Amino acid sequence: DTAVSQTPKYLVTQMGNDKSIKCEQNLGHDTMYWYKQDSKKFLKIMFSYNNKELIINETVPNRFSPKSPDKAHLNLHINSLELGDSAVYFCASSQEGGRARTYNEQFFGPGTRLTVL
Amino acid sequence: GENVEQHPSTLSVQEGDSAVIKCTYSDSASNYFPWYKQELGKRPQLIIDIRSNVGEKKDQRIAVTLNKTAKHFSLHITETQPEDSAVYFCAAGGTSYGKLTFGQGTILTVHP
Repeated sequence: DTAVSQTPKYLVTQMGNDKSIKCEQNLGHDTMYWYKQDSKKFLKIMFSYNNKELIINETVPNRFSPKSPDKAHLNLHINSLELGDSAVYFCASSQEGGRARTYNEQFFGPGTRLTVL
Repeated sequence: GENVEQHPSTLSVQEGDSAVIKCTYSDSASNYFPWYKQELGKRPQLIIDIRSNVGEKKDQRIAVTLNKTAKHFSLHITETQPEDSAVYFCAAGGTSYGKLTFGQGTILTVHP
């Protein structure tokens, strides 16, 4: 029944490791996003996909690579993890947030708390 | 790009009082302004939004006003309750493919 789900909820790992976070939405939306929320609670968009096409790619290190196998899924792979990557990562989805340039409510997932030691 | 400033960063009120949070934005092309509430350890959730063709919108105890000329918008919560305690984020969008630029957040504490 969950609208936007993410796995895992918590991720603790060592510096230099590679990890992935998965996101799925069952709302039938065509646009999905990844946000990073730092320790000061600041929410910043990282990527956006519309119908599996990369639409927004903010200034994010290329160690971060999103992948959208289909409209309902958007995964985030992070290579060579650094201490500064520690944050909560939120996935979100909306309808027609992509090339249509219309704006509708973004539904957020529960977040993945990543801790890099 | 868009820049959104939000004030105050913390706000403490007594139950029953009103709370006002203000945001300014820089890009005059922005036309969508949502407000999200994030409870501790939870996901952000939309509480109200306003589009640039509307000056004010109300939903029970929550209202949002928009001044396009001055490029600022505000969230008003009346008759605050302890369950209103959370972090509130304003955001602006409309110029780039669904991209929202968020303010820095306001920690609202409502004391019983």
